[in-house]
Amino acid sequence: SYDLTQPPSVSVSPGQTASITCSGDKLGDKHACWYQQKPGQSPVLVIYQDTKRPSGIPERFSGSNSGNTATLTISGTQAMDEADYYCQAWDSSTAYVFGTGTKVTVL
Amino acid sequence: EVQLVESGGGLVQRGGSLRLSCAASKFTFSSHWMSWVRQAPGKGLEWVANIKLDGSEKYYADSVKGRFTISRDNAKSSLYLQINSLRAEDTAVYYCARQTEAFDIWGQGTMVTVSS
Repeated sequence: SYDLTQPPSVSVSPGQTASITCSGDKLGDKHACWYQQKPGQSPVLVIYQDTKRPSGIPERFSGSNSGNTATLTISGTQAMDEADYYCQAWDSSTAYVFGTGTKVTVL
Repeated sequence: EVQLVESGGGLVQRGGSLRLSCAASKFTFSSHWMSWVRQAPGKGLEWVANIKLDGSEKYYADSVKGRFTISRDNAKSSLYLQINSLRAEDTAVYYCARQTEAFDIWGQGTMVTVSS
C-alpha cells in the first residue's frame, strides 16, 4: 500500500509563514493536492496538481512537490486559517490516498 | 451555487444495511467522475469508492470491496452508496465528492453509526 505522512501539528504566529509537509515514496512523480477542513465542516480543496489554486482560494496558499515531499505553504497566516490540512495523491496500488492530517494552530 | 447534498445516514446494527444518496445541483453531473469519501470520528479522510461518468467503471477501497456498491442515476443527478454487512469500523461521516483534477466539491456529509 502507499502511505502519505504528515506532521500531527504545526503552530504559527499570525502573519508568519506555516509550512506543512507530506511525505511519500516518489511523491514528486505524482500530483499532490491539499484540503483544508475546519471543525464540523466539510473539506475544501486549496491546492491541486501540486501548485494550482482553485478560484476563491487566497494567494497566501501555495504548494510545491519534489522528490518524496509535497509542501503546503501559508504565507501571512491568519486566524481563519486554523484548521486541519490533508494532502492527497493517487497511486496505482492504493488508488486515492490521503495523508495523516496536520492540525494548524495560529497562536 | 454548485452543490452536493447527502442523505440516508443513521443508526444501524452491525451486519445491517443502508443506502446513502447524494443529490447534485448546478453542474453537469453526467460529465464528472464521482466519489465517496468517509471520515471516522476524530480520524482522517479515507477514499471509499468512485464511479465513471456513465457508470461503466467502478472502483473500491480494499476495506469495503464486496460489501459496498456505488451507483449513479444521471437522469436524476444522483449518486448512491449501498452499504451492506456493516461493521463497527464503518462508523463515519460519508461525503460525496465531485472529481476533476482533485475532489473539488464536497457535500456536507451524512453520518453512519454502527451499533453492536
